[in-house]
Amino acid sequence: QQKVQQSPESLSVPEGGMASLNCTSSDRNFQYFWWYRQHSGEGPKALMSIFSDGDKKEGRFTAHLNKASLHVSLHIRDSQPSDSALYFCAAASSGSWQLIFGSGTQLTVMP
Amino acid sequence: GGIITQTPKFLIGQEGQKLTLKCQQNFNHDTMYWYRQDSGKGLRLIYYSITENDLQKGDLSEGYDASREKKSSFSLTVTSAQKNEMAVFLCASSTPDRGYEQYFGPGTRLTVL
Repeated sequence: QQKVQQSPESLSVPEGGMASLNCTSSDRNFQYFWWYRQHSGEGPKALMSIFSDGDKKEGRFTAHLNKASLHVSLHIRDSQPSDSALYFCAAASSGSWQLIFGSGTQLTVMP
Repeated sequence: GGIITQTPKFLIGQEGQKLTLKCQQNFNHDTMYWYRQDSGKGLRLIYYSITENDLQKGDLSEGYDASREKKSSFSLTVTSAQKNEMAVFLCASSTPDRGYEQYFGPGTRLTVL
């Protein structure tokens, strides 16, 4: 079983709509979480990190972490066609050099 | 800021051939990684190197060798390329200063004929 599971596998939203991506981990040692975004033909880039319970907002992007339920989510409001990409959730334990990546959510924003 | 450079961008090889992919970073990061990504799917860790003289196997190390020549460079060798193998190989680096957040290069796309 994958330690980091993402849902949905793919998601389509209209331009200007809200996109919601979810991630659940199965390892209570995970303390640090990231959302990465990968546009076609490029390497992944870190979009947001979240290390504490609650919400973290950066512009149109809001991440939410609940360590008790091992759940992290990403919400994109006012979605733009340029947000169309593959989104990964990643998690790490304290002091670990490894990030554990989920299998990704393919987001398509339709003009 | 910094950058990770991967060469070549596209690599075409023959079945059974030994192929080498190179990665350079100028972040001055201690830790470097190699991942394989199949068809826009998830990332699977092949090798990583915590410091300049270290080498650690990931979950997908069979069929690959790695070499950390110096702090800024990390190479990956496909020891015997498999026919119909097509994947993107991603190099990354990280530092404990940012909780080991990883910075990725643009990738090398491998095709085996």
